[in-house]
Amino acid sequence: AQSVTQLGSHVSVSEGALVLLRCNYSSSVPPYLFWYVQYPNQGLQLLLKYTSAATLVKGINGFEAEFKKSETSFHLTKPSAHMSDAAEYFCAVSDHGSSNTGKLIFGQGTTLQVKP
Amino acid sequence: DVKVTQSSRYLVKRTGEKVFLECVQDMDHENMFWYRQDPGLGLRLIYFSYDVKMKEKGDIPEGYSVSREKKERFSLILESASTNQTSMYLCASHTEASGRKMFFGPGTRLTVL
Repeated sequence: AQSVTQLGSHVSVSEGALVLLRCNYSSSVPPYLFWYVQYPNQGLQLLLKYTSAATLVKGINGFEAEFKKSETSFHLTKPSAHMSDAAEYFCAVSDHGSSNTGKLIFGQGTTLQVKP
Repeated sequence: DVKVTQSSRYLVKRTGEKVFLECVQDMDHENMFWYRQDPGLGLRLIYFSYDVKMKEKGDIPEGYSVSREKKERFSLILESASTNQTSMYLCASHTEASGRKMFFGPGTRLTVL
């Protein structure tokens, strides 16, 4: 069965510092992997996704994530945090297998705080 | 742009009431989903549907049922609402052709008193 673990429910960084949000997944077949962001009082929007092409995936707003099969990880990074990055971030996994009909399983979420 | 709409942003119901949450998408997506979002628990899948009249249980289906009579509409039903069903409910849809990019509705915050 698929599962996602996000390490750290809250991450705090200073403005301009590196952002690193951790995600580990469990999947029996090659996965699709996603990062979604939810800004305060807004809906979820896609940041980036991995679908078995390049292992380093670039997303919106300067975020990127690297798929590491050996570590079953898909950590999200941004070189320099901005105040507007403060939000909740969700990692999600979906199997390629045709039997699962594309359901996404989400992690518990990580709240990113950016300090001035 | 794909649009996923939900019938209510806020809903207050009493214990034991039957509750209907409606979701409509306008991009002919075959797959539709209902999640609930609770602090510290992330999004948990309640039910999903991959075609009209087809449905599958997610991780937390107890106390819920769904209906999909038309491709664009997916309804979540709480047969007898309970206080532990107070939550934010998110509807979403996607299609295989778009690489399973999920489009979310704005959510319905349900309070059961």
